[in-house]
Amino acid sequence: QIVLTQSPAIMSASLGERVTMTCTASSSVSSSYLHWYQQKPGSSPKLWIYSTSNLASGVPARFSGGGSGTSYSLTISNVEAEDAATYYCHQYHLSPRTFGGGTKLEIK
Amino acid sequence: QVQLQQSGAELVRPGASVTLSCKASGYTFTDYEMHWVKQTPVHGLEWIGAIDPESGGTAYNQKFKGKATLTADKSSSTAYMELRSLTSEDSAVYYCTRAGHSLFFAMDFWGQGTSVTVSS
Repeated sequence: QIVLTQSPAIMSASLGERVTMTCTASSSVSSSYLHWYQQKPGSSPKLWIYSTSNLASGVPARFSGGGSGTSYSLTISNVEAEDAATYYCHQYHLSPRTFGGGTKLEIK
Repeated sequence: QVQLQQSGAELVRPGASVTLSCKASGYTFTDYEMHWVKQTPVHGLEWIGAIDPESGGTAYNQKFKGKATLTADKSSSTAYMELRSLTSEDSAVYYCTRAGHSLFFAMDFWGQGTSVTVSS
């Protein structure tokens, strides 16, 4: 199966800072099938970015995604307090579908 | 608006079985796959499997074969997941979530989750 490794596991950012988190796949994933989700405590995951770089409905433009092959990233250009959450990458390229372990973003 | 309404929390005995439900509304049920995802603090998010409600065809994560059985009722737009021979390892929050061609099978709507606790 494709293992997705996210780093860092936990990160802390100040308001207005630019942050980047990464998702590394154990084998190549089609960029069309690499997606990101945001989850806040007590809530279900929400689709955040699909197909590597497409923002889901309602996602602020300060978010962006990129990458190809085995290396993908999610960037927040100006962190806001509401961005505090855990972000998961997910691949639908091969079965079994898999998720990364998540990056928890804390706001200083 | 699209909604996936899951059944309520379950407290079950070890060795028992439980069936979770997920009622879809606000879209054509047969146009999207329905996936089930397990979440625990230890293992994070794990894909259990998926069902095509139109054909009834299923795909499972090998890890959950024999543990989970997915079904769907087109007449009521409801998906089901039966979990059998439950152990403490099955205690988790279980989500149903839809995925379709238009977003390259990104899971764009999720149920609120069903908490399953296995305890004697």
